[in-house]
Amino acid sequence: DTEVTQTPKHLVMGMTNKKSLKCEQHMGHRAMYWYKQKAKKPPELMFVYSYEKLSINESVPSRFSPECPNSSLLNLHLHALQPEDSALYLCASRGRLAGGRAVYNEQFFGPGTRLTVL
Amino acid sequence: GQQLNQSPQSMFIQEGEDVSMNCTSSSIFNTWLWYKQDPGEGPVLLIALYKAGELTSNGRLTAQFGITRKDSFLNISASIPSDVGIYFCAGRRTNAGKSTFGDGTTLTVKP
Repeated sequence: DTEVTQTPKHLVMGMTNKKSLKCEQHMGHRAMYWYKQKAKKPPELMFVYSYEKLSINESVPSRFSPECPNSSLLNLHLHALQPEDSALYLCASRGRLAGGRAVYNEQFFGPGTRLTVL
Repeated sequence: GQQLNQSPQSMFIQEGEDVSMNCTSSSIFNTWLWYKQDPGEGPVLLIALYKAGELTSNGRLTAQFGITRKDSFLNISASIPSDVGIYFCAGRRTNAGKSTFGDGTTLTVKP
């Protein structure tokens, strides 16, 4: 299994809802990331987990709450979001993976969850 | 903070043409990365560069790590319609550090 999976693919939620985004990888990677990406913009780092411990929080508002239950799973809990939080949320893991003819130790991204906050 | 200037912002080319794009920075990076992102998908790593002056190919793609460590280039030869997408460069100063992304180059290929 050489991919990062994310569920759901799409999510629409109201400002009072509580929802969670899920990310999973079975490549044995020990670093996992959450990014937020607005249309036609680069990904913006939100959180980094290293060996299941939160190592970086890029001053993200508390309405976003990450969780790493084990080395394969990463969740992002959402509560009381604002419409401006609508974006593509990307999960990534970092570790060794073949790319072309080379083997890299870099971040590999999941397909993302398209979040719309009404 | 560190910033990457990626150019051009967009390109419209004919199928079969070669493409060049680049990233420059006022700071030194020790790793340069090139990703491609298709609509509705996450970025996919194309090439990683770890040494100044390094030239690396992946199929029709060739990327170079600038000698000054402040720039990197990506070339695509003989473009095809599936090359369409947004190409992002990213730089990293240390192995454990965060990646800084450029603003992306949107490539359109006309058949």
